[in-house]
Amino acid sequence: GQNIDQPTEMTATEGAIVQINCTYQTSGFNGLFWYQQHAGEAPTFLSYNVLDGLEEKGRFSSFLSRSKGYSYLLLKELQMKDSASYLCAVMDSNYQLIWGAGTKLIIKP
Amino acid sequence: GAVVSQHPSWVICKSGTSVKIECRSLDFQATTMFWYRQFPKQSLMLMATSNEGSKATYEQGVEKDKFLINHASLTLSTLTVTSAHPEDSSFYICSARDGRDTWSQPQHFGDGTRLSIL
Repeated sequence: GQNIDQPTEMTATEGAIVQINCTYQTSGFNGLFWYQQHAGEAPTFLSYNVLDGLEEKGRFSSFLSRSKGYSYLLLKELQMKDSASYLCAVMDSNYQLIWGAGTKLIIKP
Repeated sequence: GAVVSQHPSWVICKSGTSVKIECRSLDFQATTMFWYRQFPKQSLMLMATSNEGSKATYEQGVEKDKFLINHASLTLSTLTVTSAHPEDSSFYICSARDGRDTWSQPQHFGDGTRLSIL
């Protein structure tokens, strides 16, 4: 079956760095997305990786290793507004998005 | 760009009522729209994929007669929850992909509809 694993919850301190991991096992791979979702709101797009390596976008970076079925989202200089759930989603060979359960990130002052 | 508008934001109604939710792409044409449901503290669950001008493709376990989807134009898809019951209470979210883009482009999400059935 298809499976995406990410930690349920993480806690970090304002101003620090946090890495949210995602491992996947899917039927085929056509890219991996990271979304941010604040409580009670819809997800917003953060990043897309289809080739191995690191994609940097401001305070957020996303890394992909296709051979390991692994990705991480790196958040630097954490701000209180970064408190949210972070969803990892993989597009499989049928171009269907398979969603992880999300990682709730709690930022403490 | 790539704005998706979803309406209404909140619905509270009695059991047995049918509820229609609209999803519009405001500045792009969406050949494909997606309907999700999300229960508290859970991830998104895809209910169906809606293609303009054709019947929606429902995920396993989703009743097509219960959740009617219409995608009559390139900018509008509707989800009707027929004869809603308390167990249908959830957060419903639509998303759309720009028809001109490849599959590698992200889905753009509406703000969601919180449905509460009394």
